[in-house]
Amino acid sequence: ETGVTQTPRHLVMGMTNKKSLKCEQHLGHNAMYWYKQSAKKPLELMFVYNFKEQTENNSVPSRFSPECPNSSHLFLHLHTLQPEDSALYLCASSQRTGERHSPLHFGNGTRLTVT
Amino acid sequence: TQLLEQSPQFLSIQEGENLTVYCNSSSVFSSLQWYRQEPGEGPVLLVTVVTGGEVKKLKRLTFQFGDARKDSSLHITAAQPGDTGLYLCAGAGDSGAGSYQLTFGKGTKLSVIP
Repeated sequence: ETGVTQTPRHLVMGMTNKKSLKCEQHLGHNAMYWYKQSAKKPLELMFVYNFKEQTENNSVPSRFSPECPNSSHLFLHLHTLQPEDSALYLCASSQRTGERHSPLHFGNGTRLTVT
Repeated sequence: TQLLEQSPQFLSIQEGENLTVYCNSSSVFSSLQWYRQEPGEGPVLLVTVVTGGEVKKLKRLTFQFGDARKDSSLHITAAQPGDTGLYLCAGAGDSGAGSYQLTFGKGTKLSVIP
């Protein structure tokens, strides 16, 4: 069973659409993350949840709205996106946030294309 | 803001060759992680180095953390096509109050040609 599962794997949406990305982890972790991966850029941390509480929002535009109903599930709600939002969106989990050596376990990502 | 520079950005080599990729910063990190990301997948942790000067080996991969904990290298011996992927380094920096945050480099994209 995959540790971190993301759906859908691919998503094409128009700028006026509303869609949601889903992430589920089966590792018993308490922290979950959304990252954006664009070509020629480092992984950009978007949001962090620790024990279902949002602990970080790295100046992400309000057209991205996260939701964490429990420690195993994480959503990213999308609306009125821009073409520059096209990227690979990666979900990750770890035991808890802020630990010195705590590795991240990533899902396989959702490839988002905004037309 | 802590930055991690990875070099080279792209590397294409023949099967059987050796290679080294680098991860450099002007900042000190408490630890450094290396990940490999294969096409269509998420990054997977390869190793974490913690102590300055530390060397860790994972089969044909050798990871070294710089003495000053500002840089790291990854050496691959006798590269194989299965080594193809994006290699990412990530440094854990102290963000205050004993909490650490990861900073990622842009990655080195390795292609090993059979």
